[in-house]
Amino acid sequence: NAGVTQTPKFRVLKTGQSMTLLCAQDMNHEYMYWYRQDPGMGLRLIHYSVGEGTTAKGEVPDGYNVSRLKKQNFLLGLESAAPSQTSVYFCASRRLRDRVWDGYTFGSGTRLTVV
Amino acid sequence: AQSVTQLGSHVSVSEGALVLLRCNYSSSVPPYLFWYVQYPNQGLQLLLKYTTGATLVKGINGFEAEFKKSETSFHLTKPSAHMSDAAEYFCAVSETRRTGNQFYFGTGTSLTVIP
Repeated sequence: NAGVTQTPKFRVLKTGQSMTLLCAQDMNHEYMYWYRQDPGMGLRLIHYSVGEGTTAKGEVPDGYNVSRLKKQNFLLGLESAAPSQTSVYFCASRRLRDRVWDGYTFGSGTRLTVV
Repeated sequence: AQSVTQLGSHVSVSEGALVLLRCNYSSSVPPYLFWYVQYPNQGLQLLLKYTTGATLVKGINGFEAEFKKSETSFHLTKPSAHMSDAAEYFCAVSETRRTGNQFYFGTGTSLTVIP
């Protein structure tokens, strides 16, 4: 059982380039989330999805797009990378079990540097 | 609006001493509360959670936390610190009645254990 898998683990982009981060979970979780982690700021929600084909904005959505075409995958896209998007990105998923929400299951993160 | 405040971005304790990491939250509805630990260059791992029921919850690695509604607090404790406890700790709140059920994280507390 792999849990939540993020690819790639590391990436360096030039300003203006685009890329897609992939999050895949094999736990049949309904809800999925993308966060960014920056020093002194904790984790901030970028976008989330409550089911296949649905997405919603979080706290810091500007400059990012997402898609959830399949239940197990949640993609985060950077259309035109900026140095301010240098960060560590975490994907998480969550499920309702016995009418109680579990905690998040996190991926191991993607460290992105934009130069 | 919901928010999480972690008092002290850096905490140092001697090996064998009590660990106390503070977390206060604000929430308009009964919250779910969580503590996560992050070791260097890794993802976040669930330490413990409060959903309903007993207000003192026990987690992994000897940690526990007590939900105090009157104080809107969820402080994390461990009776005796071990060198392996050195890590970043995040408190999070989730309001289950909100669409998306997303977590809101504190800014984290870095724990240093002194030999």
